[in-house]
Amino acid sequence: DGGITQSPKYLFRKEGQNVTLSCEQNLNHDAMYWYRQDPGQGLRLIYYSQIVNDFQKGDIAEGYSVSREKKESFPLTVTSAQKNPTAFYLCASSMPGQGVNEQYFGPGTRLTVT
Amino acid sequence: EDKVVQSPLSLVVHEGDTVTLNCSYEVTNFRSLLWYKQEKKAPTFLFMLTSSGIEKKSGRLSSILDKKELFSILNITATQTGDSAVYLCAVIKKSSGDKLTFGTGTRLAVRP
Repeated sequence: DGGITQSPKYLFRKEGQNVTLSCEQNLNHDAMYWYRQDPGQGLRLIYYSQIVNDFQKGDIAEGYSVSREKKESFPLTVTSAQKNPTAFYLCASSMPGQGVNEQYFGPGTRLTVT
Repeated sequence: EDKVVQSPLSLVVHEGDTVTLNCSYEVTNFRSLLWYKQEKKAPTFLFMLTSSGIEKKSGRLSSILDKKELFSILNITATQTGDSAVYLCAVIKKSSGDKLTFGTGTRLAVRP
């Protein structure tokens, strides 16, 4: 059945290590997004990609990197340059131009860096 | 700078009460406003509003947009404990693809 999967659900890392969060969708959506959610801050856009092999920085891209080699996959790497990486990370996808604009969200990955 | 502001930040009500959640926005080239419900993990889509004054309804939930005063409200009537969640408002701008700008959310707790 169609949807967005993120793995793992919980992730623990030591400070100074890079970590990659997975996001896969089988909805045939062109666009994919990464958000970060902190308590009391809502969702903030990290990176987005509207088509394969292309992506743009969102509002808080510093310390993160992404790739979009396949339509189905949009992994996010949290690098050691990200000063405060502990957060809940949400991936989403949508089909631009369909007139609906809703984004479908994955279940999220909770990253804890100590 | 684009802004989406939700109020109240949190709310506690009893089952059966009616609640109104507010979302105001200041964005250039506004296209649509969306409401999401987030319980524990993934936000789930509730409504998308593009035109002023047209109410969208789904069961006990309804929402309306005022493009002149730049706000939207989400109403929930006869609240149930299952309505307890964070309600998120987000705005899409024209020519930004499907990029959403979110508010901070309103945390609703419905007590039995």
